[in-house]
Amino acid sequence: QKEVEQDPGPLSVPEGAIVSLNCTYSNSAFQYFMWYRQYSRKGPELLMYTYSSGNKEDGRFTAQVDKSSKYISLFIRDSQPSDSATYLCAMTPGGANNLFFGTGTRLTVIP
Amino acid sequence: EAGVVQSPRYKIIEKKQPVAFWCNPISGHNTLYWYLQNLGQGPELLIRYENEEAVDDSQLPKDRFSAERLKGVDSTLKIQPAELGDSAVYLCASSLGFSTGELFFGEGSRLTVL
Repeated sequence: QKEVEQDPGPLSVPEGAIVSLNCTYSNSAFQYFMWYRQYSRKGPELLMYTYSSGNKEDGRFTAQVDKSSKYISLFIRDSQPSDSATYLCAMTPGGANNLFFGTGTRLTVIP
Repeated sequence: EAGVVQSPRYKIIEKKQPVAFWCNPISGHNTLYWYLQNLGQGPELLIRYENEEAVDDSQLPKDRFSAERLKGVDSTLKIQPAELGDSAVYLCASSLGFSTGELFFGEGSRLTVL
């Protein structure tokens, strides 16, 4: 079993839709949770960062962490064609431990 | 502020040939990472440096891969000899420290082995 599971999609939605992206994990030691966005032929860029459980909002993006269920989500409101990218979840226990990535979900927002 | 710079962006070689990738991290970032990303997969760590020291190279295939970070700034990743299965994107990332996972990635070096 992988440390982090993520549905690879692809996911296609019309412009303006609400998008929900999810990851599950097995390691209860994970404390830091991230979402990276990766455009085609580019490197990943950090989009959202959350420590422990709870919600974090940044503009149209909301990240949620439910440690009791070992489940994290990224919501995108009013999705735009420019949101079309691959979204990678990532997490780590912190300290000297590695960062574990999901496989990424490829999202296409159709104008 | 300049981001993480990698070169070359693209490289096509024949199997058994050597190849090298170069990375210049963000100024002041003492932690540098090399990741491997296969098509449709998330990045997988190859090696992590704290300044000049390789502190985690457990996933680096040492029979054919080598890396160095002289003077604790830029870094080179080498493959010799390359195999067909090495075709992938090699990502370099850097961070101020290593504790929370906030990494800054370069655009990657895409390797095709024929």
